Order: sequence, then C-alpha cells, then structure tokens
Amino acid sequence: DQQVKQNSPSLSVQEGRISILNCDYTNSMFDYFLWYKKYPAEGPTFLISISSIKDKNEDGRFTVFLNKSAKHLSLHIVPSQPGDSAVYFCAASQGGSEKLVFGKGTKLTVNP
Amino acid sequence: NAGVTQTPKFRVLKTGQSMTLLCAQDMNHEYMYWYRQDPGMGLRLIHYSVGEGTTAKGEVPDGYNVSRLKKQNFLLGLESAAPSQTSVYFCASKRRVNYGYTFGSGTRLTVV
Repeated sequence: DQQVKQNSPSLSVQEGRISILNCDYTNSMFDYFLWYKKYPAEGPTFLISISSIKDKNEDGRFTVFLNKSAKHLSLHIVPSQPGDSAVYFCAASQGGSEKLVFGKGTKLTVNP
Repeated sequence: NAGVTQTPKFRVLKTGQSMTLLCAQDMNHEYMYWYRQDPGMGLRLIHYSVGEGTTAKGEVPDGYNVSRLKKQNFLLGLESAAPSQTSVYFCASKRRVNYGYTFGSGTRLTVV
C-alpha cells in the first residue's frame, strides 16, 4: 500500500518557465510534508517542508502548496533553471513518528 | 563537518558473500536509517535506530541485519548476498525533534 504517490515519473520544462511537481497521499494522519532533491550519484538533500497547519510555504524560487481536503501537495519552481534538473522526492510524516514515508520520485529535466 | 559518511561507495559482491556497510555521522543525531533506492521504487526503509543500542525493522528488512553499538555509527550487514539486493543504499540521520533527514552520498552495491 503506497501511502505517498508521485504519479508522474518524469517532467520536462523549458528554462524560465514554471515547474509543478505533484504528490498525493492516502494517510490522513500525515501532518508534515517535505520535498527532497537528488542529483545523480549524490544523496537526497532537503529542499522545503510544510506543516499541515499551513497551506503554503515559500523559500525563494520554491513554493509548496498543501491541500489537505484533497490529500495533495505540489512543489512549484519559478523560474526553472537547468541546475534544477534532478529527481524530486515527496515525503510525509505522521505526528511523533520517527520515520518518513517517501514517494517514488519525479525526474525533472529543465531544458536550456 | 562531514555530516553523514558512508563506506564503501561502490562494491561488487558474488552471490552468497557477506559484507557490512558502514554509516557514520558526526552531528550527534539520535536517529539513524538505512534506505535502499531502486529504479521506479523510490526510497524504501530497511532498518532504523532511535538511539544507541536500539534497532527496528522498516519496510524491507529481509536479508539484512543492523547494529548501533555507538551513537555515531549504524552498520548494515548482508549475511548472504543475493542479486535482488543489487541497489543503491542510503544512510540518513536526524535529531530527535527534527523531521528532516541528512543523507549520506550512498553506496552502490552490485551482487552478481
């Protein structure tokens, strides 16, 4: 049973345009969500997070939106840059849990 | 500040051989984790530890054993390697009250 789903394995956008990466979850007890970015041959690195008490969190070019009723979150990257090309993992945690549950990842390619 | 260090970075094993992957963190983190990443499968939790001397099973623990004899080290053992254990293995750690993980750079293991 996949609790965190990233249904798009890949996404390709032009430099300067918006990239939107989507993530759905099934466990209504999840209350904290994170996005990780992973380059080839490197470990994932933390990008941005959001608590369930918020519906939006912004950090520079990166914004995460949370729709609790739809159990959906999205990561917006504006403007997209070639250096953003990576695999993006969505992750979720249930209050007090020591574990994160990860999605399968979406490979973003930003074309110059 | 090295963060999370994994050794070795690459290894080729023959079926039936054993080996130990070492993870070391210098951030005084309480929690440590071992994940494996396979194409199309995302990050799957193998085992984790919430403190020195403790270990617990994750999502895919079969065929692996772990030990956390020292707070800074988390060892992942394969007693009898199988081709199905060909994967990239990531170690991660985090503080007790922090949701975010810090990942190592990974160990690419091939079992032939």
